[in-house]
Amino acid sequence: AQTVTQSQPEMSVQEAETVTLSCTYDTSESDYYLFWYKQPPSRQMILVIRQEAYKQQNATENRFSVNFQKAAKSFSLKISDSQLGDAAMYFCAYRTRNQAGTALIFGKGTTLSVSS
Amino acid sequence: DAGVIQSPRHEVTEMGQEVTLRCKPISGHNSLFWYRQTMMRGLELLIYFNNNVPIDDSGMPEDRFSAKMPNASFSTLKIQPSEPRDSAVYFCASSSDAGNTIYFGEGSWLTVV
Repeated sequence: AQTVTQSQPEMSVQEAETVTLSCTYDTSESDYYLFWYKQPPSRQMILVIRQEAYKQQNATENRFSVNFQKAAKSFSLKISDSQLGDAAMYFCAYRTRNQAGTALIFGKGTTLSVSS
Repeated sequence: DAGVIQSPRHEVTEMGQEVTLRCKPISGHNSLFWYRQTMMRGLELLIYFNNNVPIDDSGMPEDRFSAKMPNASFSTLKIQPSEPRDSAVYFCASSSDAGNTIYFGEGSWLTVV
Protein backbone atom coordinates (compact mmCIF):
# COMPACT_ATOMS: atom_id res chain seq x y z
CA ALA A 1 0.00 0.00 0.00
CA GLN A 2 1.10 3.52 -0.71
CA THR A 3 1.93 5.92 2.11
CA VAL A 4 2.67 9.64 2.27
CA THR A 5 4.77 11.18 5.03
CA GLN A 6 5.06 14.83 5.93
CA SER A 7 7.68 15.07 8.65
CA GLN A 8 7.15 18.73 9.53
CA PRO A 9 3.96 19.28 11.54
CA GLU A 10 4.61 23.02 11.65
CA MET A 11 6.72 25.50 9.72
CA SER A 12 7.06 29.26 9.86
CA VAL A 13 8.34 31.85 7.44
CA GLN A 14 8.55 35.62 7.22
CA GLU A 15 6.85 37.57 4.51
CA ALA A 16 8.85 37.73 1.27
CA GLU A 17 11.05 34.84 2.34
CA THR A 18 11.18 31.34 0.87
CA VAL A 19 10.08 28.17 2.62
CA THR A 20 10.24 24.51 1.65
CA LEU A 21 7.77 21.88 2.85
CA SER A 22 8.89 18.27 2.76
CA CYS A 23 7.04 15.19 1.60
CA THR A 24 8.14 11.62 1.03
CA TYR A 25 6.09 8.73 -0.21
CA ASP A 26 6.34 5.01 -0.55
CA THR A 27 5.09 3.09 -3.55
CA SER A 28 6.00 0.19 -5.79
CA GLU A 29 4.20 1.77 -8.73
CA SER A 30 5.98 3.55 -11.53
CA ASP A 31 3.16 5.72 -12.84
CA TYR A 32 1.32 8.06 -10.52
CA TYR A 33 0.50 11.66 -9.69
CA LEU A 34 1.58 13.83 -6.80
CA PHE A 35 -0.22 16.89 -5.50
CA TRP A 36 0.02 19.67 -2.97
CA TYR A 37 -3.26 20.98 -1.56
CA LYS A 38 -3.68 24.07 0.59
CA GLN A 39 -6.28 24.23 3.34
CA PRO A 40 -6.85 27.69 4.85
CA PRO A 41 -8.89 28.18 8.03
CA SER A 42 -12.08 28.02 5.95
CA ARG A 43 -11.20 24.31 5.49
CA GLN A 44 -11.61 24.48 1.71
CA MET A 45 -9.17 22.15 -0.08
CA ILE A 46 -7.40 24.12 -2.80
CA LEU A 47 -5.13 22.52 -5.36
CA VAL A 48 -1.74 24.24 -5.36
CA ILE A 49 0.29 22.19 -7.79
CA ARG A 50 0.47 18.74 -9.39
CA GLN A 51 3.20 16.59 -10.86
CA GLU A 52 3.00 13.59 -13.17
CA ALA A 53 5.57 10.98 -12.22
CA TYR A 54 6.58 10.35 -15.83
CA LYS A 55 7.62 13.97 -16.25
CA GLN A 56 11.16 14.77 -15.21
CA GLN A 57 10.59 18.51 -15.27
CA ASN A 58 9.51 19.96 -11.95
CA ALA A 59 6.09 21.61 -11.95
CA THR A 60 5.82 25.35 -11.31
CA GLU A 61 2.81 27.55 -10.62
CA ASN A 62 3.75 31.19 -10.08
CA ARG A 63 5.41 31.39 -6.65
CA PHE A 64 4.99 27.66 -6.03
CA SER A 65 7.37 25.03 -7.33
CA VAL A 66 8.22 21.45 -6.51
CA ASN A 67 11.40 19.45 -6.28
CA PHE A 68 10.42 15.98 -7.50
CA GLN A 69 13.02 13.31 -6.89
CA LYS A 70 11.48 10.07 -8.16
CA ALA A 71 14.30 7.74 -7.15
CA ALA A 72 14.33 9.17 -3.65
CA LYS A 73 10.49 9.25 -3.55
CA SER A 74 10.60 12.84 -2.45
CA PHE A 75 8.24 15.66 -3.42
CA SER A 76 8.91 18.97 -1.68
CA LEU A 77 7.03 22.23 -2.16
CA LYS A 78 8.86 25.55 -2.34
CA ILE A 79 6.96 28.76 -1.73
CA SER A 80 8.84 31.85 -2.85
CA ASP A 81 8.12 35.43 -1.80
CA SER A 82 5.80 34.19 0.95
CA GLN A 83 2.64 36.18 1.58
CA LEU A 84 0.33 36.39 4.60
CA GLY A 85 -2.32 34.63 2.54
CA ASP A 86 -0.09 31.58 2.23
CA ALA A 87 -0.71 30.76 5.89
CA ALA A 88 -2.59 27.47 5.88
CA MET A 89 -2.23 23.75 6.29
CA TYR A 90 -0.57 22.08 3.32
CA PHE A 91 -1.20 18.48 2.36
CA CYS A 92 0.91 16.32 0.12
CA ALA A 93 -1.08 13.65 -1.73
CA TYR A 94 -0.47 10.65 -3.98
CA ARG A 95 -2.73 9.19 -6.62
CA THR A 96 -2.25 6.06 -8.67
CA ARG A 97 -2.62 6.52 -12.40
CA ASN A 98 -5.55 4.28 -13.21
CA GLN A 99 -8.28 4.63 -15.78
CA ALA A 100 -10.96 3.43 -13.39
CA GLY A 101 -10.25 6.27 -11.04
CA THR A 102 -8.39 6.01 -7.78
CA ALA A 103 -8.48 8.00 -4.58
CA LEU A 104 -5.93 10.41 -3.11
CA ILE A 105 -3.73 9.27 -0.26
CA PHE A 106 -2.86 12.17 1.99
CA GLY A 107 -0.05 12.96 4.37
CA LYS A 108 -0.83 14.34 7.83
CA GLY A 109 -0.24 17.91 6.75
CA THR A 110 2.11 20.79 7.60
CA THR A 111 0.79 23.95 9.19
CA LEU A 112 2.52 26.98 7.73
CA SER A 113 2.47 30.29 9.55
CA VAL A 114 3.60 33.51 7.89
CA SER A 115 4.72 36.50 9.91
CA SER A 116 5.08 40.11 8.83
CA ASP B 1 -18.23 26.52 -13.88
CA ALA B 2 -19.89 25.09 -10.79
CA GLY B 3 -17.61 23.12 -8.55
CA VAL B 4 -18.50 20.26 -6.25
CA ILE B 5 -21.55 21.30 -4.25
CA GLN B 6 -22.16 19.98 -0.77
CA SER B 7 -25.03 20.47 1.61
CA PRO B 8 -25.55 21.28 4.36
CA ARG B 9 -22.46 23.38 5.03
CA HIS B 10 -22.97 23.17 8.76
CA GLU B 11 -25.11 20.86 10.85
CA VAL B 12 -25.51 20.45 14.56
CA THR B 13 -27.51 17.44 15.65
CA GLU B 14 -28.20 15.44 18.75
CA MET B 15 -26.73 12.04 19.38
CA GLY B 16 -28.93 9.31 17.96
CA GLN B 17 -30.34 11.38 15.15
CA GLU B 18 -29.97 10.52 11.49
CA VAL B 19 -27.68 12.76 9.44
CA THR B 20 -27.70 12.95 5.65
CA LEU B 21 -24.97 14.77 3.77
CA ARG B 22 -25.46 15.52 0.10
CA CYS B 23 -23.12 16.04 -2.81
CA LYS B 24 -23.39 17.10 -6.42
CA PRO B 25 -20.17 16.37 -8.34
CA ILE B 26 -18.81 18.45 -11.17
CA SER B 27 -20.77 17.74 -14.35
CA GLY B 28 -19.02 15.14 -16.48
CA HIS B 29 -16.96 13.72 -13.63
CA ASN B 30 -17.46 10.01 -13.13
CA SER B 31 -15.56 9.40 -9.91
CA LEU B 32 -16.88 10.63 -6.57
CA PHE B 33 -15.14 10.47 -3.21
CA TRP B 34 -16.21 10.97 0.40
CA TYR B 35 -13.48 11.98 2.86
CA ARG B 36 -13.65 12.74 6.57
CA GLN B 37 -11.28 15.11 8.37
CA THR B 38 -10.66 15.15 12.10
CA MET B 39 -7.83 16.48 14.20
CA MET B 40 -6.92 13.02 15.42
CA ARG B 41 -7.05 11.07 12.16
CA GLY B 42 -6.46 13.70 9.50
CA LEU B 43 -8.05 13.14 6.08
CA GLU B 44 -9.54 9.69 5.69
CA LEU B 45 -11.12 8.22 2.58
CA LEU B 46 -14.50 6.78 3.49
CA ILE B 47 -15.72 5.52 0.13
CA TYR B 48 -15.44 6.22 -3.55
CA PHE B 49 -17.58 5.54 -6.58
CA ASN B 50 -16.72 5.19 -10.24
CA ASN B 51 -19.59 5.42 -12.73
CA ASN B 52 -22.01 5.29 -9.78
CA VAL B 53 -20.61 1.97 -8.54
CA PRO B 54 -18.88 1.76 -5.14
CA ILE B 55 -15.26 0.77 -5.77
CA ASP B 56 -13.76 0.91 -2.29
CA ASP B 57 -15.77 1.28 0.91
CA SER B 58 -13.11 -0.11 3.24
CA GLY B 59 -12.85 3.26 4.94
CA MET B 60 -16.46 3.35 6.08
CA PRO B 61 -16.08 3.14 9.85
CA GLU B 62 -19.04 0.95 10.71
CA ASP B 63 -22.55 -0.06 9.79
CA ARG B 64 -23.91 3.25 10.99
CA PHE B 65 -22.43 4.82 7.85
CA SER B 66 -23.86 4.27 4.40
CA ALA B 67 -23.35 5.99 1.05
CA LYS B 68 -25.30 5.91 -2.17
CA MET B 69 -24.92 7.29 -5.64
CA PRO B 70 -28.23 6.80 -7.44
CA ASN B 71 -27.12 8.76 -10.50
CA ALA B 72 -24.15 10.59 -11.93
CA SER B 73 -25.09 13.92 -10.40
CA PHE B 74 -25.94 13.06 -6.82
CA SER B 75 -24.58 11.19 -3.82
CA THR B 76 -25.50 10.93 -0.16
CA LEU B 77 -23.61 9.95 2.95
CA LYS B 78 -25.85 8.90 5.78
CA ILE B 79 -25.06 8.35 9.45
CA GLN B 80 -27.69 6.56 11.52
CA PRO B 81 -27.60 6.80 14.47
CA SER B 82 -25.09 9.60 14.87
CA GLU B 83 -22.61 9.73 17.76
CA PRO B 84 -20.43 12.56 19.13
CA ARG B 85 -17.31 10.89 17.71
CA ASP B 86 -18.74 11.39 14.22
CA SER B 87 -18.17 15.14 14.58
CA ALA B 88 -15.88 16.11 11.71
CA VAL B 89 -15.69 17.89 8.40
CA TYR B 90 -16.95 15.66 5.60
CA PHE B 91 -15.67 16.39 2.12
CA CYS B 92 -17.08 15.27 -1.16
CA ALA B 93 -14.78 15.35 -4.18
CA SER B 94 -14.95 14.37 -7.82
CA SER B 95 -12.75 13.72 -10.83
CA SER B 96 -12.97 12.51 -14.39
CA ASP B 97 -11.23 9.41 -15.70
CA ALA B 98 -9.56 11.56 -18.32
CA GLY B 99 -8.15 13.95 -15.76
CA ASN B 100 -5.69 13.50 -12.93
CA THR B 101 -6.98 16.02 -10.40
CA ILE B 102 -9.57 15.52 -7.70
CA TYR B 103 -11.64 18.59 -6.91
CA PHE B 104 -13.15 19.12 -3.48
CA GLY B 105 -16.35 20.67 -2.25
CA GLU B 106 -16.29 23.16 0.59
CA GLY B 107 -17.10 20.47 3.14
CA SER B 108 -19.94 19.78 5.54
CA TRP B 109 -19.13 20.60 9.15
CA LEU B 110 -20.95 18.11 11.37
CA THR B 111 -21.25 18.49 15.12
CA VAL B 112 -23.01 15.78 17.10
CA VAL B 113 -23.86 16.77 20.68
